[in-house]
Amino acid sequence: RKEVEQDPGPFNVPEGATVAFNCTYSNSASQSFFWYRQDCRKEPKLLMSVYSSGNEDGRFTAQLNRASQYISLLIRDSKLSDSATYLCVVNPPGFQKLVFGTGTRLLVSP
Amino acid sequence: EAGVTQFPSHSVIEKGQTVTLRCDPISGHDNLYWYRRVMGKEIKFLLHFVKESKQDESGMPNNRFLAERTGGTYSTLKVQPAELEDSGVYFCASSQASGAYNEQFFGPGTRLTVL
Repeated sequence: RKEVEQDPGPFNVPEGATVAFNCTYSNSASQSFFWYRQDCRKEPKLLMSVYSSGNEDGRFTAQLNRASQYISLLIRDSKLSDSATYLCVVNPPGFQKLVFGTGTRLLVSP
Repeated sequence: EAGVTQFPSHSVIEKGQTVTLRCDPISGHDNLYWYRRVMGKEIKFLLHFVKESKQDESGMPNNRFLAERTGGTYSTLKVQPAELEDSGVYFCASSQASGAYNEQFFGPGTRLTVL
């Protein structure tokens, strides 16, 4: 079983749509969680950290469910510029390394 | 402020040759990480330096890979001899401090092709 699992997509949505991505992780003791965004042939960039209480940043909302070992990302009012691959990332206990999912590709069309 | 830089951006070599990748972290960042993405797979951790010390090298695939960070500034990752399966994108990242929720900033990557 992979440490971090994501639906690879692609998710094809029209502009203005709401889209949700999910991710599960295998190590229940994992300590921190992130969503990174990666554009084609570019480096990953931090989109947002995911806290136990859930957090929101503009059109983006992240949720963490430790009991189910489940992380989600909700994007409201999708823009063309949101088209990218969204990487679910987990920091396992006792280490500084990041463990990545394979990513979910989002395509927003006019 | 300059971000993480990597050199070269692309490298094409033949199987059996040696390649050295370089990473310059953000100034003042003590933590430096190497990751790689082989085609069709997720990004995977290789190793972590704190200043010049290897803190975690659990992701290094085998002894053909050697990472150094002399002086605690830039780092090099040498692959010798390169094999076909080493092809992929090698990312370097740096962070200012250790601890949970400490953001790692990634460089643009070096795309390595082994023929």
